[in-house]
Amino acid sequence: AQSVTQLDSQVPVFEEAPVELRCNYSSSVSVYLFWYVQYPNQGLQLLLKYLSGSTLVKGINGFEAEFNKSQTSFHLRKPSVHISDTAEYFCAVSDKGNTPLVFGKGTRLSVIA
Amino acid sequence: DAGVIQSPRHEVTEMGQEVTLRCKPISGHNSLFWYRQTMMRGLELLIYFNNNVPIDDSGMPEDRFSAKMPNASFSTLKIQPSEPRDSAVYFCASSLGVMGLGGEQFFGPGTRLTVL
Repeated sequence: AQSVTQLDSQVPVFEEAPVELRCNYSSSVSVYLFWYVQYPNQGLQLLLKYLSGSTLVKGINGFEAEFNKSQTSFHLRKPSVHISDTAEYFCAVSDKGNTPLVFGKGTRLSVIA
Repeated sequence: DAGVIQSPRHEVTEMGQEVTLRCKPISGHNSLFWYRQTMMRGLELLIYFNNNVPIDDSGMPEDRFSAKMPNASFSTLKIQPSEPRDSAVYFCASSLGVMGLGGEQFFGPGTRLTVL
């Protein structure tokens, strides 16, 4: 079964600094990969997804992620964060449709003014 | 589209009472998922349906929990009797199955349940 590891439970970063949130998954079979964001007291919303094709995926709010098959990673990056990016970020993976998404435990990003 | 609709948004009840959470998925979506989120355990998949049929309920914590999907536009998650440890935020999500069960899920705003 798939598993997802988000290596950092909390990431504090100063405003306008770059950030990387790390995600590794367990299986090397073909996968779909997702990043979701959860703002306080809200549901999860999709930030970006990798289904196939280019390994660099661009999402909303200036975020991007790179799929690295050899390292089974899908790290999320943003070159310059804003206060409004403060939220919890979840990485999720599925084995191309056979089973539902498996979510990581989340990384809480805190942007400091 | 209105997105996934959940009701109530907040529920406060006393231990031993029955609680029913409701979900209306996005029209046309054929998969529906119920999750529970707590600080201690994170986001847990409780049960999911495909074409109104329960596929996997192995995440349901115990027999006090039950879920139904009588039609494509409605699902319920029931806890009877409720216990304080059931306090959590419960999310419903739906997806369109062209990518199978592993496609993008759309989440509702959640129901915050407090059991006293």
